[in-house]
Amino acid sequence: GNSVTQMEGPVTLSEEAFLTINCTYTATGYPSLFWYVQYPGEGLQLLLKATKADDKGSNKGFEATYRKETTSFHLEKGSVQVSDSAVYFCALTPPTGRRALTFGSGTRLQVQP
Amino acid sequence: DAMVIQNPRYQVTQFGKPVTLSCSQTLNHNVMYWYQQKSSQAPKLLFHYYDKDFNNEADTPDNFQSRRPNTSFCFLDIRSPGLGDAAMYLCATSRDLAGTDEQFFGPGTRLTVL
Repeated sequence: GNSVTQMEGPVTLSEEAFLTINCTYTATGYPSLFWYVQYPGEGLQLLLKATKADDKGSNKGFEATYRKETTSFHLEKGSVQVSDSAVYFCALTPPTGRRALTFGSGTRLQVQP
Repeated sequence: DAMVIQNPRYQVTQFGKPVTLSCSQTLNHNVMYWYQQKSSQAPKLLFHYYDKDFNNEADTPDNFQSRRPNTSFCFLDIRSPGLGDAAMYLCATSRDLAGTDEQFFGPGTRLTVL
Protein backbone atom coordinates (compact mmCIF):
# COMPACT_ATOMS: atom_id res chain seq x y z
CA GLY A 1 0.00 0.00 0.00
CA ASN A 2 0.88 3.66 -0.05
CA SER A 3 2.76 5.23 2.84
CA VAL A 4 4.66 8.37 3.80
CA THR A 5 7.49 8.51 6.31
CA GLN A 6 8.63 11.78 7.87
CA MET A 7 11.42 12.60 10.24
CA GLU A 8 10.27 12.71 13.82
CA GLY A 9 10.09 15.99 15.65
CA PRO A 10 10.07 18.28 17.28
CA VAL A 11 12.66 20.16 15.29
CA THR A 12 13.93 23.19 17.17
CA LEU A 13 15.84 25.89 15.29
CA SER A 14 16.97 29.41 15.87
CA GLU A 15 15.59 32.17 13.68
CA GLU A 16 17.35 32.43 10.28
CA ALA A 17 18.61 28.84 10.46
CA PHE A 18 18.35 26.45 7.50
CA LEU A 19 15.50 23.96 7.63
CA THR A 20 15.24 20.46 6.19
CA ILE A 21 12.37 18.11 6.98
CA ASN A 22 12.85 14.71 5.37
CA CYS A 23 10.00 12.89 3.66
CA THR A 24 10.11 9.59 1.79
CA TYR A 25 7.23 7.70 0.28
CA THR A 26 6.15 4.30 -0.94
CA ALA A 27 3.74 4.15 -3.84
CA THR A 28 3.32 2.54 -7.23
CA GLY A 29 3.98 4.71 -10.24
CA TYR A 30 4.08 8.48 -9.97
CA PRO A 31 1.99 9.82 -7.09
CA SER A 32 1.33 13.51 -6.54
CA LEU A 33 3.20 14.86 -3.53
CA PHE A 34 2.18 17.60 -1.13
CA TRP A 35 3.35 19.48 1.93
CA TYR A 36 0.62 20.78 4.23
CA VAL A 37 1.19 23.08 7.22
CA GLN A 38 -0.95 23.27 10.36
CA TYR A 39 -0.56 26.32 12.58
CA PRO A 40 -1.65 26.02 16.21
CA GLY A 41 -5.41 25.69 16.55
CA GLU A 42 -6.04 25.77 12.82
CA GLY A 43 -6.80 23.40 9.97
CA LEU A 44 -4.32 22.32 7.32
CA GLN A 45 -3.15 24.60 4.54
CA LEU A 46 -1.46 23.49 1.36
CA LEU A 47 2.11 24.76 1.40
CA LEU A 48 3.34 23.36 -1.93
CA LYS A 49 2.95 20.44 -4.26
CA ALA A 50 4.63 18.57 -7.13
CA THR A 51 2.84 16.28 -9.51
CA LYS A 52 5.63 14.72 -11.58
CA ALA A 53 9.22 13.64 -11.21
CA ASP A 54 11.83 16.43 -10.95
CA ASP A 55 9.13 19.06 -10.35
CA LYS A 56 9.99 21.61 -7.69
CA GLY A 57 7.19 23.03 -5.57
CA SER A 58 7.81 26.35 -3.85
CA ASN A 59 5.88 28.81 -1.70
CA LYS A 60 6.71 31.37 1.02
CA GLY A 61 10.43 30.55 0.78
CA PHE A 62 9.84 26.81 1.18
CA GLU A 63 10.89 24.37 -1.53
CA ALA A 64 10.65 20.64 -2.18
CA THR A 65 11.78 18.62 -5.19
CA TYR A 66 10.08 15.41 -6.35
CA ARG A 67 12.88 12.83 -6.51
CA LYS A 68 11.66 9.59 -8.08
CA GLU A 69 15.04 7.86 -7.82
CA THR A 70 15.14 8.28 -4.04
CA THR A 71 11.32 8.39 -3.55
CA SER A 72 11.75 11.58 -1.56
CA PHE A 73 10.16 15.01 -1.24
CA HIS A 74 12.23 16.81 1.40
CA LEU A 75 11.07 20.24 2.56
CA GLU A 76 13.68 23.02 2.77
CA LYS A 77 13.82 26.68 3.70
CA GLY A 78 16.92 28.79 3.72
CA SER A 79 16.06 31.07 6.65
CA VAL A 80 13.24 30.21 9.05
CA GLN A 81 11.22 32.72 11.05
CA VAL A 82 9.39 32.41 14.35
CA SER A 83 6.14 32.57 12.37
CA ASP A 84 7.07 29.29 10.62
CA SER A 85 6.52 27.40 13.89
CA ALA A 86 3.87 24.82 13.03
CA VAL A 87 3.35 21.15 12.24
CA TYR A 88 4.30 20.10 8.71
CA PHE A 89 2.69 17.10 7.00
CA CYS A 90 4.01 15.37 3.92
CA ALA A 91 1.29 13.62 1.90
CA LEU A 92 0.64 11.82 -1.36
CA THR A 93 -2.21 10.86 -3.66
CA PRO A 94 -1.72 7.81 -5.89
CA PRO A 95 -1.79 8.13 -9.69
CA THR A 96 -4.68 5.70 -10.07
CA GLY A 97 -7.44 4.17 -8.00
CA ARG A 98 -8.68 5.80 -4.82
CA ARG A 99 -7.24 9.31 -4.76
CA ALA A 100 -7.40 9.99 -1.03
CA LEU A 101 -4.52 11.76 0.65
CA THR A 102 -2.12 9.58 2.62
CA PHE A 103 -0.38 11.67 5.28
CA GLY A 104 2.87 11.23 7.10
CA SER A 105 2.82 11.53 10.87
CA GLY A 106 3.78 15.19 10.87
CA THR A 107 6.86 17.08 12.08
CA ARG A 108 6.56 19.85 14.63
CA LEU A 109 8.88 22.80 13.96
CA GLN A 110 9.69 25.25 16.73
CA VAL A 111 11.64 28.36 15.79
CA GLN A 112 13.16 30.35 18.62
CA PRO A 113 13.98 34.07 18.40
CA ASP B 1 -13.20 34.94 0.07
CA ALA B 2 -14.15 31.43 -0.95
CA MET B 3 -13.63 29.13 1.96
CA VAL B 4 -14.49 26.09 4.04
CA ILE B 5 -16.37 26.85 7.25
CA GLN B 6 -16.84 24.53 10.20
CA ASN B 7 -19.24 25.00 13.07
CA PRO B 8 -18.88 24.91 15.93
CA ARG B 9 -15.13 25.28 16.47
CA TYR B 10 -15.41 23.56 19.85
CA GLN B 11 -18.04 20.99 20.78
CA VAL B 12 -18.52 19.27 24.11
CA THR B 13 -20.81 16.27 24.38
CA GLN B 14 -21.51 13.54 26.87
CA PHE B 15 -20.63 9.90 26.50
CA GLY B 16 -23.30 8.29 24.31
CA LYS B 17 -25.10 11.54 23.43
CA PRO B 18 -25.44 12.05 19.65
CA VAL B 19 -23.62 15.00 18.18
CA THR B 20 -23.58 16.64 14.73
CA LEU B 21 -20.73 18.64 13.27
CA SER B 22 -21.29 20.99 10.36
CA CYS B 23 -19.24 21.98 7.33
CA SER B 24 -20.08 24.41 4.55
CA GLN B 25 -18.14 25.58 1.52
CA THR B 26 -18.35 28.49 -0.87
CA LEU B 27 -15.94 26.96 -3.39
CA ASN B 28 -18.62 24.98 -5.25
CA HIS B 29 -16.38 21.93 -5.14
CA ASN B 30 -17.66 18.50 -6.07
CA VAL B 31 -15.91 16.59 -3.32
CA MET B 32 -16.22 16.98 0.45
CA TYR B 33 -14.19 14.98 2.97
CA TRP B 34 -14.27 14.33 6.71
CA TYR B 35 -11.04 13.55 8.56
CA GLN B 36 -10.43 12.64 12.19
CA GLN B 37 -7.21 13.92 13.72
CA LYS B 38 -6.24 12.74 17.18
CA SER B 39 -3.63 14.53 19.20
CA SER B 40 -0.17 14.55 17.59
CA GLN B 41 -1.32 12.24 14.79
CA ALA B 42 -1.91 12.58 11.08
CA PRO B 43 -5.44 13.20 9.82
CA LYS B 44 -7.31 9.99 9.04
CA LEU B 45 -9.94 9.97 6.31
CA LEU B 46 -13.37 8.82 7.51
CA PHE B 47 -15.37 9.24 4.28
CA HIS B 48 -15.98 11.50 1.35
CA TYR B 49 -18.76 12.57 -0.96
CA TYR B 50 -18.31 13.01 -4.67
CA ASP B 51 -21.41 15.06 -5.42
CA LYS B 52 -24.09 12.85 -3.84
CA ASP B 53 -22.07 9.63 -3.98
CA PHE B 54 -21.00 8.57 -0.52
CA ASN B 55 -17.70 6.70 -0.06
CA ASN B 56 -16.93 5.18 3.30
CA GLU B 57 -13.41 4.13 4.32
CA ALA B 58 -13.27 0.44 5.20
CA ASP B 59 -12.18 1.03 8.78
CA THR B 60 -14.55 3.87 9.64
CA PRO B 61 -16.74 2.75 12.56
CA ASP B 62 -20.50 2.45 12.00
CA ASN B 63 -20.92 5.00 14.77
CA PHE B 64 -19.92 7.69 12.24
CA GLN B 65 -22.41 8.78 9.60
CA SER B 66 -22.53 11.64 7.15
CA ARG B 67 -25.09 13.61 5.18
CA ARG B 68 -24.71 15.97 2.26
CA PRO B 69 -28.07 17.63 1.57
CA ASN B 70 -26.68 19.94 -1.12
CA THR B 71 -23.39 20.98 -2.72
CA SER B 72 -22.54 23.49 -0.01
CA PHE B 73 -23.19 21.56 3.19
CA CYS B 74 -21.94 18.33 4.71
CA PHE B 75 -22.61 16.98 8.21
CA LEU B 76 -20.82 14.48 10.39
CA ASP B 77 -23.06 12.60 12.81
CA ILE B 78 -21.61 10.61 15.69
CA ARG B 79 -24.44 8.44 16.95
CA SER B 80 -23.02 7.39 20.31
CA PRO B 81 -19.74 9.16 21.06
CA GLY B 82 -17.20 7.30 23.13
CA LEU B 83 -14.20 8.70 24.96
CA GLY B 84 -12.02 7.49 22.10
CA ASP B 85 -13.87 9.74 19.65
CA ALA B 86 -12.47 12.88 21.23
CA ALA B 87 -10.45 14.48 18.44
CA MET B 88 -10.23 17.33 15.95
CA TYR B 89 -12.58 16.76 13.02
CA LEU B 90 -11.48 18.36 9.77
CA CYS B 91 -13.66 19.01 6.76
CA ALA B 92 -12.01 19.45 3.38
CA THR B 93 -13.09 19.99 -0.21
CA SER B 94 -11.59 19.49 -3.64
CA ARG B 95 -12.74 20.42 -7.10
CA ASP B 96 -12.57 16.86 -8.31
CA LEU B 97 -11.08 13.49 -7.42
CA ALA B 98 -7.98 13.87 -9.57
CA GLY B 99 -4.88 13.11 -7.54
CA THR B 100 -3.37 16.48 -8.43
CA ASP B 101 -6.29 18.45 -6.99
CA GLU B 102 -5.57 20.46 -3.89
CA GLN B 103 -7.75 19.80 -0.86
CA PHE B 104 -8.93 22.89 1.00
CA PHE B 105 -9.36 22.40 4.73
CA GLY B 106 -11.61 24.10 7.23
CA PRO B 107 -10.32 25.18 10.66
CA GLY B 108 -11.66 22.04 12.32
CA THR B 109 -14.04 21.26 15.17
CA ARG B 110 -12.45 20.05 18.38
CA LEU B 111 -14.75 17.49 20.02
CA THR B 112 -14.56 16.76 23.73
CA VAL B 113 -16.43 13.76 25.15
CA LEU B 114 -17.18 13.83 28.87
